[in-house]
Amino acid sequence: ETGVTQTPRHLVMGMTNKKSLKCEQHLGHNAMYWYKQSAKKPLELMFVYNFKEQTENNSVPSRFSPECPNSSHLFLHLHTLQPEDSALYLCASSQFPDRVAGQYFGPGTRLTVT
Amino acid sequence: GEDVEQSLFLSVREGDSSVINCTYTDSSSTYLYWYKQEPGAGLQLLTYIFSNMDMKQDQRLTVLLNKKDKHLSLRIADTQTGDSAIYFCAESRGDSNYQLIWGAGTKLIIKP
Repeated sequence: ETGVTQTPRHLVMGMTNKKSLKCEQHLGHNAMYWYKQSAKKPLELMFVYNFKEQTENNSVPSRFSPECPNSSHLFLHLHTLQPEDSALYLCASSQFPDRVAGQYFGPGTRLTVT
Repeated sequence: GEDVEQSLFLSVREGDSSVINCTYTDSSSTYLYWYKQEPGAGLQLLTYIFSNMDMKQDQRLTVLLNKKDKHLSLRIADTQTGDSAIYFCAESRGDSNYQLIWGAGTKLIIKP
């Protein structure tokens, strides 16, 4: 595997379900991010981890719970979601504090909440 | 304001040049980026420009930065069907702890 991988690629869940999204980066980076992408809106940064420590939580509802067990893996645990949470969830990684290389993104998980 | 603004759509003919525009708000921005998102894929970094530069060229891509007007543009020469994608502008502000502020993306549509 190379780059940033995300599983599953597609997920349909009911509002009472519990599921998890997984992200893995194979780039040796020390920072990882969760973004929410909705159509025609800017990317919404949800969580940031630097060196496995959470450094940002941008007022994300508690029904989203991140976990970063090591610098290569990032999870997003989901429970009792709402239909408006349907979106593409993107994981990214970068080498903090390097800004030149930017962030590397996974392909995303398309989440549909029914 | 906090926003990075872009037009949502741009339509060009194959072979013509595409110019995608972006305005940002923070004069302390140090790096500005263009990302490309193809259907079903994540975002891919296309190019960046440092705030002390006015222009950067990389093959078919030309980035222009007007700091006075806080305006960034991406020109794609000889636009091809493979350039069909959504293009995102992003800024890295000096005080943002290296996080990126994103535009909503411009969908580039290529007409034959």
